[in-house]
Amino acid sequence: GAVVSQHPSRVICKSGTSVKIECRSLDFQATTMFWYRQFPKQSLMLMATSNEGSKATYEQGVEKDKFLINHASLTLSTLTVTSAHPEDSSFYICSARPWRVGVVAGGDNEQFFGPGTRLTVL
Amino acid sequence: DAKTTQPPSMDCAEGRAANLPCNHSTISGNEYVYWYRQIHSQGPQYIIHGLKNNETNEMASLIITEDRKSSTLILPHATLRDTAVYYCIGAAGNKLTFGGGTRVLVKP
Repeated sequence: GAVVSQHPSRVICKSGTSVKIECRSLDFQATTMFWYRQFPKQSLMLMATSNEGSKATYEQGVEKDKFLINHASLTLSTLTVTSAHPEDSSFYICSARPWRVGVVAGGDNEQFFGPGTRLTVL
Repeated sequence: DAKTTQPPSMDCAEGRAANLPCNHSTISGNEYVYWYRQIHSQGPQYIIHGLKNNETNEMASLIITEDRKSSTLILPHATLRDTAVYYCIGAAGNKLTFGGGTRVLVKP
């Protein structure tokens, strides 16, 4: 149980285009989902926190107009990278926090992570 | 989130126990210690977490010092598939803040 999927797993696009990445919790509901970015040989950096039915909360330095987040249901959040540029090339990872923490063993902060999406902007 | 300090890398032998240290001297009373690992090019995987008491599950054991300023993750019988970056995180509330982690290489 507690599986999170991401689609696509890998995408290559031209500079200036927009790319949408989907994050789905497959067997649980998640009121909160998180989006991270990871550059090569670096750690994960939280970009934004996405709450179902409300606006996302972005971390300092992350442009909300460039990284559009939509969390329209309890099982789906999307990240759209608008007008992508080569410097946006990265590994994007989402995670989901179960709606009822009593369902899983991890407590308040247990998050289940997707497999990641590797974005390459040419 | 509490700042955590981990050694950047360590090797361990297949079949032996791997002991991964973490310092979190500024951890506050309501912050849990979480351990995640990330195998190359995959999303992080939850391992274990604890507040004050030692914890054990099917993957690992977590030993937290009485003053809560440090902890040790123990992989009882390391396998080659345990090669990964292991992250120790002190967290309360909603966010997980990932530090540099420890790159663990399990050798045959």
